[in-house]
Amino acid sequence: QITLKESGPTLVKPTQTLTLTCTFSGFSLSTNGVGVGWIRQPPGKALEWLALIYWDDDERYSPSLRSRLTITKDTSRNQVVLTMTNMDPVDTATYYCAHRPPYSNGRLFDTWGQGALVTVSS
Amino acid sequence: EIVLTQSPGTLSLSPGERATLSCRADESVSSTSLAWYQQKPGQAPRLLIYDASTRATGIPDRFSGSGSGTDFTLTISRLEPEDFAVYFCQQYGSSVFGGGTKVEIK
Repeated sequence: QITLKESGPTLVKPTQTLTLTCTFSGFSLSTNGVGVGWIRQPPGKALEWLALIYWDDDERYSPSLRSRLTITKDTSRNQVVLTMTNMDPVDTATYYCAHRPPYSNGRLFDTWGQGALVTVSS
Repeated sequence: EIVLTQSPGTLSLSPGERATLSCRADESVSSTSLAWYQQKPGQAPRLLIYDASTRATGIPDRFSGSGSGTDFTLTISRLEPEDFAVYFCQQYGSSVFGGGTKVEIK
C-alpha cells in the first residue's frame, strides 16, 4: 500500500523560504519510472502542479514558478523535499505530494498525501 | 500552455441521476494524457480515470471517461451519495488542471 505524508511549517512570513518534506512508503524512488510530485491548491480554488522528481534524478518544474522551486530526493530515507523561496500571501495553499506511477506517460498522480496547509502571513 | 475549461461549474442532481461533466482543451491533446480526479471536502484528490477512459484501481464502473482531441467527458451513470464532490480534469503531459466541476445534491 502506497502512502505519502507532507510535513513542514503551517505558517511562514512573506519573503521567507518554505521547506516541505514528503515522507512515503510502499514504493521505492529508485524503481524505474517512478516519481514524486508536488501540487498545491489555494483555499477554494483549483489544483496547480509545482514540481516532479523522477527515479533517475530528472527534475521538472512549473514554468511559472521554476525560479523559486527546488525539489530533491533522499531515496534511502524515502523522502522528497520541496523548497519555495520568497513566499508571498498568494502562496497560501494546501500543498500535496503525490506518487507518479511507472505506467504513466506524463505527470499523472495515482496516490496523494493528505496535504499540508501553509499560510503566508506576517 | 494548454488551458482546460470545465463545465458546468456546478451540477445540481439527485442520487440515482446521470452526471455528465465536460473538460475542453484550447488545443488538441493526446487522449493518453487526460485524467479525472474526485475531491471531497477536506480530502486529497483521488484518481478516477486516466488515458481518458481507463478506470483507476478500485474505481466503480459507474464512472466512465470518453473523448478525444479537445473534448473530454466524465460520466457518472447513477449518482451515489458518496459521489457528490468536486471533479477536476488534468492534461498530464504538461500537468495542467481544469478549474473543477462541483456536483451537488439537488
